[in-house]
Amino acid sequence: AQSVTQLDSHVSVSEGTPVLLRCNYSSSYSPSLFWYVQHPNKGLQLLLKYTSAATLVKGINGFEAEFKKSETSFHLTKPSAHMSDAAEYFCVGGRGSTLGRLYFGRGTQLTVWP
Amino acid sequence: NAGVTQTPKFQVLKTGQSMTLQCAQDMNHNSMYWYRQDPGMGLRLIYYSASEGTTDKGEVPNGYNVSRLNKREFSLRLESAAPSQTSVYFCASSGWRERTDTQYFGPGTRLTVL
Repeated sequence: AQSVTQLDSHVSVSEGTPVLLRCNYSSSYSPSLFWYVQHPNKGLQLLLKYTSAATLVKGINGFEAEFKKSETSFHLTKPSAHMSDAAEYFCVGGRGSTLGRLYFGRGTQLTVWP
Repeated sequence: NAGVTQTPKFQVLKTGQSMTLQCAQDMNHNSMYWYRQDPGMGLRLIYYSASEGTTDKGEVPNGYNVSRLNKREFSLRLESAAPSQTSVYFCASSGWRERTDTQYFGPGTRLTVL
């Protein structure tokens, strides 16, 4: 079975401080993992994806995530938050095959204070 | 490339009315998906089409039907709308050429059923 759990429903940070959004996965096979971002009243935009090529994945807008098999985690980080990072973030798991059924976490709402 | 487009962007229905949500992609993708998004629930898969001519149920198919009209277009129909179908609906697509299960999303349709 495949599932993804986002450990925090809300995260608040001050502008300029680090961001950490946590995600754990469970899978009986080597998964593909994604982070998507959704700004208010917008669609979902791909931030980054892990497909087993490298455990540290760099994405757009300064975000990165590290796949840790021993911890079954795929946490999203950014060294310094910007006001424009305020959005909802989804951790998503897939089977790593070309038939792409995806499994969504429930989302983490990131608030950035000035 | 427009990517994934959806029409309409907004819709208000009365209970019992019917409507069809349209989705089209210009990325030559084989697979297409319909999701609904509700607060705190992430995205849940309604139906998907792995390739032209095939459709399959996802997690929450009740009350919906789909048609894969051709490779580009995948429509979602509500035959008799209910207030529980008030949601934001997203269409997505993914392609074999990319060798991953990355999905690309449309901007969404906001549906209210009164």
